[in-house]
Amino acid sequence: DTEVTQTPKHLVMGMTNKKSLKCEQHMGHRAMYWYKQKAKKPPELMFVYSYEKLSINESVPSRFSPECPNSSLLNLHLHALQPEDSALYLCASSQRTGTNAHEQYFGPGTRLTVT
Amino acid sequence: AQRVTQPEKLLSVFKGAPVELKCNYSYSGSPELFWYVQYSRQRLQLLLRHISRESIKGFTADLNKGETSFHLKKPFAQEEDSAMYYCALSGQGGANNLFFGTGTRLTVIP
Repeated sequence: DTEVTQTPKHLVMGMTNKKSLKCEQHMGHRAMYWYKQKAKKPPELMFVYSYEKLSINESVPSRFSPECPNSSLLNLHLHALQPEDSALYLCASSQRTGTNAHEQYFGPGTRLTVT
Repeated sequence: AQRVTQPEKLLSVFKGAPVELKCNYSYSGSPELFWYVQYSRQRLQLLLRHISRESIKGFTADLNKGETSFHLKKPFAQEEDSAMYYCALSGQGGANNLFFGTGTRLTVIP
């Protein structure tokens, strides 16, 4: 299995809702990432998990809360979001070390709309 | 600070013509450079990286440290090359994080 899967594909939520995005990979990758991509913009890194521990938080607001319950799963918990948080949220994974460590495999993304 | 610049948002070429997508970078250390591609309705995927010095789908890219460039080239463009292309940089250290340029949308005209 060489795919990164993300659920749901689409999500519409109100500003008072709590929701979660899920990401899964079974490639044995020990680094996982969350990116945010606005329309016609490049992906922007949000979080990096390395060996299930948060290693990078790119100054993301606390209304986004990542979680890595095991080496195959990555969640992004959402609470009290703003309309400007509407975007495509991409998950990616990679090997943590070695020659292929920088090759990231991306999921299809979750299209989030905050109303 | 790291920076990746792709000066062309849009690029159109005719089928069979050569294509070059420009990428310049700024980084204080020795970065790793990549080209990622996103075809219509497909996920973002790695096209090639400078350390492997390989040709993928006829594309090549050479890292020019003097000019801090990593331009993507193909001698004869094909219609299936139409896609969004992102140049990306990964710095040293253990982070593996990618910093993307703004992207170039390539359209190959039949």
